[in-house]
Amino acid sequence: DAKTTQPNSMESNEEEPVHLPCNHSTISGTDYIHWYRQLPSQGPEYVIHGLTSNVNNRMASLAIAEDRKSSTLILHRATLRDAAVYYCILRVQGAQKLVFGQGTRLTINP
Amino acid sequence: SAVISQKPSRDICQRGTSLTIQCQVDSQVTMMFWYRQQPGQSLTLIATANQGSEATYESGFVIDKFPISRPNLTFSTLTVSNMSPEDSSIYLCSVEVNDFAAFFGQGTRLTVV
Repeated sequence: DAKTTQPNSMESNEEEPVHLPCNHSTISGTDYIHWYRQLPSQGPEYVIHGLTSNVNNRMASLAIAEDRKSSTLILHRATLRDAAVYYCILRVQGAQKLVFGQGTRLTINP
Repeated sequence: SAVISQKPSRDICQRGTSLTIQCQVDSQVTMMFWYRQQPGQSLTLIATANQGSEATYESGFVIDKFPISRPNLTFSTLTVSNMSPEDSSIYLCSVEVNDFAAFFGQGTRLTVV
């Protein structure tokens, strides 16, 4: 499985945008970029995924670099409930298991 | 989406004993996944359970220590056998009901004393 690199931790303020980076320089052409987050004392939850184009959903946006070697998860207006560990995962289409890295622990200040 | 119920939510067990964790899904799924999350760490896949066949274990995990049952398409159990304090972790069940999103249970927090 291709490796991802994320900062260990980040901090932001409530109601401000948050940009969570992920490097994946060894990504292959068939790897999808997935993001999950784990709120305190809960199991991970799916956030968003993409292949080449930028993606938006009700939770977040995913910006993918043109060479696909990096991506950024964007929370447009952070709330205290967005405090969680965010995992960037590469996944081959059709492969069902997920390989989790260490993720980024996001702290939101009121 | 999928709703996953895990039981028990937490337990404290004596070393040398075994604990069976149950995972119930509200829809039929082909594969169910069991993960372990050690204190302060990320998730590690233990095994993949298909209905009607033996579970597939990841490197470092063996069937004798973590036997898995998958009797039907909505249920699975994971047993943690002959427990030691090193087995203290959160154990999570996961399923996927479409091609892109996995859903997780709340986890079972196990403490071995």
